[in-house]
Amino acid sequence: AQKVTQAQTEISVVEKEDVTLDCVYETRDTTYYLFWYKQPPSGELVFLIRRNSFDEQNEISGRYSWNFQKSTSSFNFTITASQVVDSAVYFCALSELDPRNTPLVFGKGTRLSVIA
Amino acid sequence: GAGVSQSPSNKVTEKGKDVELRCDPISGHTALYWYRQSLGQGLEFLIYFQGNSAPDKSGLPSDRFSAERTGGSVSTLTIQRTQQEDSAVYLCASSLGAGLTDTQYFGPGTRLTVL
Repeated sequence: AQKVTQAQTEISVVEKEDVTLDCVYETRDTTYYLFWYKQPPSGELVFLIRRNSFDEQNEISGRYSWNFQKSTSSFNFTITASQVVDSAVYFCALSELDPRNTPLVFGKGTRLSVIA
Repeated sequence: GAGVSQSPSNKVTEKGKDVELRCDPISGHTALYWYRQSLGQGLEFLIYFQGNSAPDKSGLPSDRFSAERTGGSVSTLTIQRTQQEDSAVYLCASSLGAGLTDTQYFGPGTRLTVL
């Protein structure tokens, strides 16, 4: 069965610290996609990244980086030099090739608070 | 371009009343999804449409919930005889297609409060 686990429910850091948000997933499919979404206080989910199961290259975008490791079924997200504007709830999600499965399964989210 | 829009942004209703929530997807997006976000429950998939048909209704929590999409665009989620446990934020998303490679883009949500 599909499952996404974000073990950290809340994290609090001081501005400029680095922070890593963990995501572990379960799937029986060999073809799948993993996503990260950001939900700021305004409430709208913002797409950050999509990664397919065949591409284990790490991704860096500005202060954001993602570490995908199939061996541990993890897709962790690191924010470098965090800023107050990074404060939000971050969701990891999984989408599988099998059309019988739920289109997008989310973890319960990690609430990140960046303190000035 | 315009993103996914939802209306109303907030809805307060009394237990037992029916409510309709509306979603306008991004123009040209053929797939449309409804999710529910309850406190402490994360994001729960409800239903999705490919065009006007709904291949997957498995997430609807009860027969009080229904959804339709006409003209391949706007969708309405209807909750009949609302209960207090229906209180949540209802999120709509759309994607270009319903394939694996199609990223879902979300609207701002409708916050439903059932008194």
